[in-house]
Amino acid sequence: GNSVTQMEGPVTLSEEAFLTINCTYTATGYPSLFWYVQYPGEGLQLLLKATKADDKGSNKGFEATYRKETTSFHLEKGSVQVSDSAVYFCALKSGGGADGLTFGKGTHLIIQP
Amino acid sequence: GAVVSQHPSRVICKSGTSVKIECRSLDFQATTMFWYRQFPKKSLMLMATSNEGSKATYEQGVEKDKFLINHASLTLSTLTVTSAHPEDSSFYICSARSQAAGRYNEQFFGPGTRLTVL
Repeated sequence: GNSVTQMEGPVTLSEEAFLTINCTYTATGYPSLFWYVQYPGEGLQLLLKATKADDKGSNKGFEATYRKETTSFHLEKGSVQVSDSAVYFCALKSGGGADGLTFGKGTHLIIQP
Repeated sequence: GAVVSQHPSRVICKSGTSVKIECRSLDFQATTMFWYRQFPKKSLMLMATSNEGSKATYEQGVEKDKFLINHASLTLSTLTVTSAHPEDSSFYICSARSQAAGRYNEQFFGPGTRLTVL
């Protein structure tokens, strides 16, 4: 079956530091890959996505590249801000007909001023 | 943007009672809604997929008689936890998918409902 593995937190960084949150997956076929962010007290929001190999998703300074050869979709940001503090979830949608998402456990990111 | 609400945000109930959780898409029509469950420090686990006007499709291991899902309109889906027990205590999250052009694969999530069964 499908599965997503992401680094567990909390991850604590100083403002303006470089961020990487690792995500690897196992899936049949050619899944679509997503990063969701959950700010305190809010629902999950789509941060970025990639639907095929070598695609790069980007949004709000965050990037992730769909690497089929390493089955990875690592999230990166060059300079984090305090406002980036949140929980980040890596997820995939199978290439088949099912719509439901398979999520990783989430990574709590804490940015200190 | 697309907004999804859930009600209630928190509920505490006694063991053996039933609890209904509502999920609403506020500014778009959702032909498909999803219900997830999240345990502490665990990933969200898909429980079921519901399509408006038809029976929900449950994931393996989820008891359909325990977790009743109704999706009677394009903006409302409900999850009823029947005869709740302490092991049903969890964070329940719904999401809704728009059929609008350009929203391929995107689900919009509600803020979640914290259920505590005493």
